[in-house]
Amino acid sequence: AQKITQTQPGMFVQEKEAVTLDCTYDTSDQSYGLFWYKQPSSGEMIFLIYQGSYDEQNATEGRYSLNFQKARKSANLVISASQLGDSAMYFCAMREHQGSNYQLIWGAGTKLIIKP
Amino acid sequence: DAGVIQSPRHEVTEMGQEVTLRCKPISGHNSLFWYRQTMMRGLELLIYFNNNVPIDDSGMPEDRFSAKMPNASFSTLKIQPSEPRDSAVYFCASSSGDLQETQYFGPGTRLLVL
Repeated sequence: AQKITQTQPGMFVQEKEAVTLDCTYDTSDQSYGLFWYKQPSSGEMIFLIYQGSYDEQNATEGRYSLNFQKARKSANLVISASQLGDSAMYFCAMREHQGSNYQLIWGAGTKLIIKP
Repeated sequence: DAGVIQSPRHEVTEMGQEVTLRCKPISGHNSLFWYRQTMMRGLELLIYFNNNVPIDDSGMPEDRFSAKMPNASFSTLKIQPSEPRDSAVYFCASSSGDLQETQYFGPGTRLLVL
């Protein structure tokens, strides 16, 4: 079963506008973590932001914020004042524990293109 | 601080040849992950190590793939013999084992098997 769903395969956004990238997840764990990564065309995977399931405040890192709605099991990434350099693939991932170990479950990604 | 280091960055080889990918995790990190990324299958976890011990290798495609971590600062992923369908970007990532357990990725090795 799909545990991380990113419903937007691609998005075009005008420069300087805010962007919301959707991510919904499915887990029965009480303790879990949600991550967003950026992958520009150069290929590297860059960690952006983290939200723990027990965190009451939405995570923020500069222009990135995570709109965490636990009851709806959604963890949308919000990018404020988008820039041309924000054009990239964005992946949502969830930390899932398997016994004493864990893995990241990855979404399929959203390709974001910022238009000048 | 140095991030995760991978070598080579690019590898072109012929079918049947042995390929060895190398990874140096971030110093002090105790978990190491090998991923493969393709357009068709996305990002797949191949294997991960905790304190140099392989924990889960269920993602390793077949016996042609093997991974080792002889010490805390070095890991290899070997494909022998390589096949064209192994062409992909291979990432190594490491994490510190703290509560958040963020994985930090290396730049990847782009492998092309002809």
